[in-house]
Amino acid sequence: SQQGEEDPQALSIQEGENATMNCSYKTSINNLQWYRQNSGRGLVHLILIRSNEREKHSGRLRVTLDTSKKSSSLLITASRAADTASYFCATDNTGNQFYFGTGTSLTVIP
Amino acid sequence: DAGVIQSPRHEVTEMGQEVTLRCKPISGHNSLFWYRQTMMRGLELLIYFNNNVPIDDSGMPEDRFSAKMPNASFSTLKIQPSEPRDSAVYFCASSYLLRQNTEAFFGQGTRLTVV
Repeated sequence: SQQGEEDPQALSIQEGENATMNCSYKTSINNLQWYRQNSGRGLVHLILIRSNEREKHSGRLRVTLDTSKKSSSLLITASRAADTASYFCATDNTGNQFYFGTGTSLTVIP
Repeated sequence: DAGVIQSPRHEVTEMGQEVTLRCKPISGHNSLFWYRQTMMRGLELLIYFNNNVPIDDSGMPEDRFSAKMPNASFSTLKIQPSEPRDSAVYFCASSYLLRQNTEAFFGQGTRLTVV
């Protein structure tokens, strides 16, 4: 399978804490992307990191990429109840096909 | 743009019936993807079109599944005959190839229940 894997599968934190999710993948990539899915909705793109980048920031999001370990992490700082959702990493291989991991279910407790 | 539009949002059908899911990608996008999401298997890429041409259908589970893209603004995913194990949420997504490092835009999905 070309799918990535997120870790942990589920994460529960208090509002204001930081949330860290990890993603491991198997093949070489052009880029790695993180998406968010609210219950019953489609996926929404959060951030993209290219294969030659090591770290990227967008608002309260920080993404790192280690291509030697084929892994990425997503950090959400100062979490809010509205951040409760499932988070997926997706790898974009050279064919411009997006392969998704199994997701991390994040619950932020107010 | 209204985004990727999928119809219907919900579909309940009996085993053995034909099911057709529809997708309208974002105008100007030239890549279209069909995904299936289940608790057990997560998000699976079923088929990928580029410029209306199927590029990779290796994810299509069986011959009962077929997908078409007759023009740049419309695609269908058909299941015939449907089986209970086909119950899942089916997502369509589109993106703009020709420019690497682009994102995929998802529709709201069709929740299919086969009884």
